[in-house]
Amino acid sequence: AQKVTQAQTEISVVEKEDVTLDCVYETRDTTYYLFWYKQPPSGELVFLIRRNSFDEQNEISGRYSWNFQKSTSSFNFTITASQVVDSAVYFCALSGGGSNYKLTFGKGTLLTVNP
Amino acid sequence: GAVVSQHPSWVICKSGTSVKIECRSLDFQATTMFWYRQFPKQSLMLMATSNEGSKATYEQGVEKDKFLINHASLTLSTLTVTSAHPEDSSFYICSARGGTAVYSNQPQHFGDGTRLSIL
Repeated sequence: AQKVTQAQTEISVVEKEDVTLDCVYETRDTTYYLFWYKQPPSGELVFLIRRNSFDEQNEISGRYSWNFQKSTSSFNFTITASQVVDSAVYFCALSGGGSNYKLTFGKGTLLTVNP
Repeated sequence: GAVVSQHPSWVICKSGTSVKIECRSLDFQATTMFWYRQFPKQSLMLMATSNEGSKATYEQGVEKDKFLINHASLTLSTLTVTSAHPEDSSFYICSARGGTAVYSNQPQHFGDGTRLSIL
């Protein structure tokens, strides 16, 4: 069975602070994919990143960076110099390899960035 | 690229009405589409997986006769909530995944969701 744990239910920061959202996953698959999605108050899900299990390189995209560590089954997401527009619920998700490509979502972390 | 359109974005209707929600992939062919339900302040729960031209696969606990899913083409899937009741009120989100194989590892791209309110 697959499981995604986002232990932080809510995080509140002040603009320009850096913030890290934690994600820990469980899977028995050797090939799997990890995702981060952003859900702003308007409700749509915005795809941020996909990482496969064989690629442990960290990734940076503008103010966003992701740290994937297989040894600790974690795929953490850091926003540098946060902005009010970053306020949203962020979901970490996992899909397996083989015939199981269904997404398993974590419970989400509500990030509030205050001016 | 990879745009998914979901319509309508908001529905308010009376109890007993059937409601149809459309999910379209605008710039790619979606071999597989997924339907999720999200209650306020909760995560997305997968309801069913639909592959073009075949019957949908429903998750445990989801009533097939209540939530009818059709995926008649590579760009369109529909979810019909039959005889809706207030407890069916929720946020429904579809996603679409491309690729040539049923078990594609392409990422899912999500529609904007439909807020369904049953009075």
